[in-house]
Amino acid sequence: DTEVTQTPKHLVMGMTNKKSLKCEQHMGHRAMYWYKQKAKKPPELMFVYSYEKLSINESVPSRFSPECPNSSLLNLHLHALQPEDSALYLCASRGTASYEQYFGPGTRLTVT
Amino acid sequence: GESVGLHLPTLSVQEGDNSIINCAYSNSASDYFIWYKQESGKGPQFIIDIRSNMDKRQGQRVTVLLNKTVKHLSLQIAATQPGDSAVYFCADPQRGGADGLTFGKGTHLIIQP
Repeated sequence: DTEVTQTPKHLVMGMTNKKSLKCEQHMGHRAMYWYKQKAKKPPELMFVYSYEKLSINESVPSRFSPECPNSSLLNLHLHALQPEDSALYLCASRGTASYEQYFGPGTRLTVT
Repeated sequence: GESVGLHLPTLSVQEGDNSIINCAYSNSASDYFIWYKQESGKGPQFIIDIRSNMDKRQGQRVTVLLNKTVKHLSLQIAATQPGDSAVYFCADPQRGGADGLTFGKGTHLIIQP
């Protein structure tokens, strides 16, 4: 199974809402990532988890809160977002054998 | 600082022709590159990679060329098909790969019938 799954596929939330994005992989990968992708732009790294520990936070605002409950799951908790946070949020994972990252289909987030 | 960039934002080719997508990088220490394909509404999909100790690597219908002298790499797609329509990104693993990918700006490949 070389699949990374993400839920929900689409999410619309107000600026006062709290929501969570979920990511799951069963490839035994111990590195997992969150990227943000605006329209017609490349993905931009947000967070890196290595062996369930946060190793990189690319100066992401605290209204985004990542969590790695176990080696297969990665969450992104959202609170008090702004309309400019509307984007495609991509999850990826990587094994130790190569630098290739496997990406999920993304969650299309709209903040109203 | 490190950057990975593309020369052209859009490339339009006739079906059946070969496509060449270019990418420039600035960090001489970069030793590994990946090409990703992203179709509309999907996440990036790995196409091919190359290490800096190689000049060329071939896959199925794709070839990546690396010129370390001018810090340039290219992706060649042979006999372009409608299914090749997508945005193509070159990417560079930061600091050995564990720290995430830095993507180039992307080239939108459009296939004309």
